[in-house]
Amino acid sequence: DAKTTQPPSMDCAEGRAANLPCNHSTISGNEYVYWYRQIHSQGPQYIIHGLKNNETNEMASLIITEDRKSSTLILPHATLRDTAVYYCIVRFLDNNAGNMLTFGGGTRLMVKP
Amino acid sequence: DVKVTQSSRYLVKRTGEKVFLECVQDMDHENMFWYRQDPGLGLRLIYFSYDVKMKEKGDIPEGYSVSREKKERFSLILESASTNQTSMYLCASSLLQGPHQETQYFGPGTRLLVL
Repeated sequence: DAKTTQPPSMDCAEGRAANLPCNHSTISGNEYVYWYRQIHSQGPQYIIHGLKNNETNEMASLIITEDRKSSTLILPHATLRDTAVYYCIVRFLDNNAGNMLTFGGGTRLMVKP
Repeated sequence: DVKVTQSSRYLVKRTGEKVFLECVQDMDHENMFWYRQDPGLGLRLIYFSYDVKMKEKGDIPEGYSVSREKKERFSLILESASTNQTSMYLCASSLLQGPHQETQYFGPGTRLLVL
């Protein structure tokens, strides 16, 4: 699986947009970009995933560059409850049952009042 | 909403004890996973199962076993707990096939301390 690089930490003011970058320059054509987050003392939570096109759901937006070598997760109006570690993961989508996830260091997002 | 529950949030056991960690999911998912999470090491897969009575080793199966007698339940067993098994244990489930196959839903975790 392609390796990802994320900044170790970021701050964001409450109510502002949080833009979390991820580099995945070795991503291959059929690897998806996934984002999870982990709030302190809880299990990871799925946020969003995408292949080529930008994606949006009720939690966030995912912007993938045209060359797919990087992506940005956007939380449009960050709240204090969005303080968490955010993980960017790239994975093949196939029928292999062993689709375990490899979480790297992630970005620790601190939303401040 | 998918719900994955784990039997305990916190557990303290002694070295040599047999430890059972239970995980239950209510979304009829075929895949279930057990991970451990340690500072600086991220999540590491211990075992996974893609069907009842089926199991596959992950990256770090040594010292662990699993049981999947029913589709909704996946148990992790530490036959003889050791201090290096002190960790946060996370259970997850996902569909076997389909567009959301890769989306894993996690339980709240069990923080195990082995003394």
